[in-house]
Amino acid sequence: KNEVEQSPQNLTAQEGEFITINCSYSVGISALHWLQQHPGGGIVSLFMLSSGKKKHGRLIATINIQEKHSSLHITASHPRDSAVYICAVPYSGGGADGLTFGKGTHLIIQP
Amino acid sequence: DAGVIQSPRHEVTEMGQEVTLRCKPISGHDYLFWYRQTMMRGLELLIYFNNNVPIDDSGMPEDRFSAKMPNASFSTLKIQPSEPRDSAVYFCASSLAGQAQYFGPGTRLLVL
Repeated sequence: KNEVEQSPQNLTAQEGEFITINCSYSVGISALHWLQQHPGGGIVSLFMLSSGKKKHGRLIATINIQEKHSSLHITASHPRDSAVYICAVPYSGGGADGLTFGKGTHLIIQP
Repeated sequence: DAGVIQSPRHEVTEMGQEVTLRCKPISGHDYLFWYRQTMMRGLELLIYFNNNVPIDDSGMPEDRFSAKMPNASFSTLKIQPSEPRDSAVYFCASSLAGQAQYFGPGTRLLVL
């Protein structure tokens, strides 16, 4: 079973700062997921990536398959980015598996 | 599409009672997943289905838990009998093979 480690667990920053959240996993994978969980509890998929980099608005996700590591970056952070960010990978590495999750990074952006 | 639909959204029950959680996946999705989230353990996979067939139920905590998917548009997760330690948020998600998963709003279960 894949093991997922995320850091930091908690992060408080000022509006406008550049944010980086890191994720590492133990077993080779076909793709990695970044999820966002809002204060109300809903979970939204932000990215699914298997190589290189993806960008969506102010969010950028990168992955290094050889090093089994991914990062999620937020540029020009805003209070509305405050949420829990969760890294997840297929629990045995396969593309259509259920996911195993990191413990999440609780991000607070202060105005 | 309405997204993944779960019901009920909240459930409060007493220890020993049977609890049934329901999920309607996004139309056309052939994978359905059940997850549980607690403060102590975070998000955990319970079971998942492909084309209505259970593929892996190794995450189901014990025999008190069972899940079915009688057709492509409906799945249930049943706990019988329920215990206080089952209190959690239960999420259903669906996807196409190898694609991003779409999560339902979750069912908040409290077992007294």
